[in-house]
Amino acid sequence: GDSVTQMEGPVTLSEEAFLTINCTYTATGYPSLFWYVQYPGEGLQLLLKATKADDKGSNKGFEATYRKETTSFHLEKGSVQVSDSAVYFCALRRPSNDYKLSFGAGTTVTVRA
Amino acid sequence: NAGVMQNPRHLVRRRGQEARLRCSPVKGHSHVYWYRQLPEEGLKFMVYLQKENIIDESGMPKERFSAEFPKEGPSILRIQQVVRGDSAAYFCASSPGGWGSTQETQYFGPGTRLLVL
Repeated sequence: GDSVTQMEGPVTLSEEAFLTINCTYTATGYPSLFWYVQYPGEGLQLLLKATKADDKGSNKGFEATYRKETTSFHLEKGSVQVSDSAVYFCALRRPSNDYKLSFGAGTTVTVRA
Repeated sequence: NAGVMQNPRHLVRRRGQEARLRCSPVKGHSHVYWYRQLPEEGLKFMVYLQKENIIDESGMPKERFSAEFPKEGPSILRIQQVVRGDSAAYFCASSPGGWGSTQETQYFGPGTRLLVL
């Protein structure tokens, strides 16, 4: 079945540091890939997405590229801020089941001033 | 604009009791999805409902679990005779409706953390 594996946390960084969260997936066909973010006390919010190989999703300084050859969708940000402290979830959705999302376990990121 | 609301945010139950989790979708959204996150795991799809209809409950355990989305009021996820293995975070999401596009975005609530003692 479909599965998503994320880098384990927690991750603690200093402000302006570079952030990478690894995400790999297992799925048949060409799924759509997502990163969701959950800030403290809030619901999951869609951060960015990519729907086909080599697509790059970007938002709020975050980027992720859909790599079919390595089945990966790693999240990166060049210079993090304290406000980026949150839990980050990688997810996929198969085209044939276009409402079911499959999530990774989430990675907690804490950015210190 | 209110997002998806879930209550309670934290719920403690003893084994054998019933748990009722409520989800109010974004105003105007007629599609609701429930997901469960067990400790150390990712969110897993449980059930998809439209107003007064269950569309897909393939991810929901066959026994003790039920879900509804009535014409009026919030969606309810009900767990009867809870066991310790039901301890998890339960997330609700909603979408506007007319599902058929892979671009449809699900808007998530903050989740309900259920602890079964």
